[in-house]
Amino acid sequence: AQKVTQAQTEISVVEKEDVTLDCVYETRDTTYYLFWYKQPPSGELVFLIRRNSFDEQNEISGRYSWNFQKSTSSFNFTITASQVVDSAVYFCALSEAWLDSGAGSYQLTFGKGTKLSVIP
Amino acid sequence: DAGVIQSPRHEVTEMGQEVTLRCKPISGHDYLFWYRQTMMRGLELLIYFNNNVPIDDSGMPEDRFSAKMPNASFSTLKIQPSEPRDSAVYFCASSLELRIEQFFGPGTRLTVL
Repeated sequence: AQKVTQAQTEISVVEKEDVTLDCVYETRDTTYYLFWYKQPPSGELVFLIRRNSFDEQNEISGRYSWNFQKSTSSFNFTITASQVVDSAVYFCALSEAWLDSGAGSYQLTFGKGTKLSVIP
Repeated sequence: DAGVIQSPRHEVTEMGQEVTLRCKPISGHDYLFWYRQTMMRGLELLIYFNNNVPIDDSGMPEDRFSAKMPNASFSTLKIQPSEPRDSAVYFCASSLELRIEQFFGPGTRLTVL
């Protein structure tokens, strides 16, 4: 069964510290996509990154970096030199689509989220 | 370009009333999704459409919920009659293709008294 686990429910760090948010997933498929979304206190969901299962290259975007390890089914997210504006709930998500017996099927599964608080 | 637009942003209603939530997806996106977010259950996919056609509504909690997409730029999620347990934030999202990133609207916070 498809599953996304974000074991860290809440994390607090002091501004300028680095922080890593963990994401572990389970899937029956060999082709899938992984995502990270940010939900700031205002409530909207902001897309951060997509990674497909064939691309294990790590990615860096400014202070954000992502480490995808298929061997451990993990897709971790690191914020370097955290800032107060990084305070939000961060969701990891897994997307699968497959055809069974001619019928299309699709699932997007979100983890429970990790609430990050960056203290000034 | 405008993102996904949802209205209303907040809705307070009494049990038994009909509630209609509205969504305008990003122009050119072929897929539209409705989600519900609660503290207990997190984010749940309720239904999604492809080119205005409902593809999978297995996430719709019960018959009180219905969704329509009469054209490529408009969708509604209706709850009739509403119950207090329907209180949640309802998100609409759209995407170009099925499996890639979805772009979410700001959500509608529904409170059923």
